[in-house]
Amino acid sequence: NAGVTQTPKFRVLKTGQSMTLLCAQDMNHEYMYWYRQDPGMGLRLIHYSVGEGTTAKGEVPDGYNVSRLKKQNFLLGLESAAPSQTSVYFCASYGGYNQPQHFGDGTRLSIL
Amino acid sequence: DAKTTQPPSMDCAEGRAANLPCNHSTISGNEYVYWYRQIHSQGPQYIIHGLKNNETNEMASLIITEDRKSSTLILPHATLRDTAVYYCIVRVGNQFYFGTGTSLTVIP
Repeated sequence: NAGVTQTPKFRVLKTGQSMTLLCAQDMNHEYMYWYRQDPGMGLRLIHYSVGEGTTAKGEVPDGYNVSRLKKQNFLLGLESAAPSQTSVYFCASYGGYNQPQHFGDGTRLSIL
Repeated sequence: DAKTTQPPSMDCAEGRAANLPCNHSTISGNEYVYWYRQIHSQGPQYIIHGLKNNETNEMASLIITEDRKSSTLILPHATLRDTAVYYCIVRVGNQFYFGTGTSLTVIP
């Protein structure tokens, strides 16, 4: 049982480039989330989804887009990367009913 | 507005109990308190959660005050592998609100 899997684990981009981060979960969870974590800080919610085909903005959504075409996958896109988006990105899923949230191992993204 | 407040750092002697406090004074009646920890920037690891009753599992105990405005995570016998950042989180509906965490250092 893999849980939550994030790809890639590391990536270096140049300013203005675009990329997509993939999150996959195999627990049939309805809810999925993308967070970013900057040095010395807690996790901040970027976007989330309450089910297939739905997305919603979190605390820091600017500069990011998301899609949830399949229940098991949640994609985070950066259309034009900026140095301020250098961060560690975590994906999580949640099954509801007061269960815990499950996290992936993170994607370390550097934008030069 | 931060939903949780935690001390930035704490030390604990190996083998002793580690008591990590959290203030969540604006919590509402149906909002759960969760605790996670993060080791070396890995993905956060679930520890325990509760609503108003004290909870215990194989990892820790969670003590929630009667007015629910604060809670304490207790690691009964801290080991060096418990050195991590501990996050107290309030779940509001389907959203989880992280604070800035407490960096716990277990000292040999």
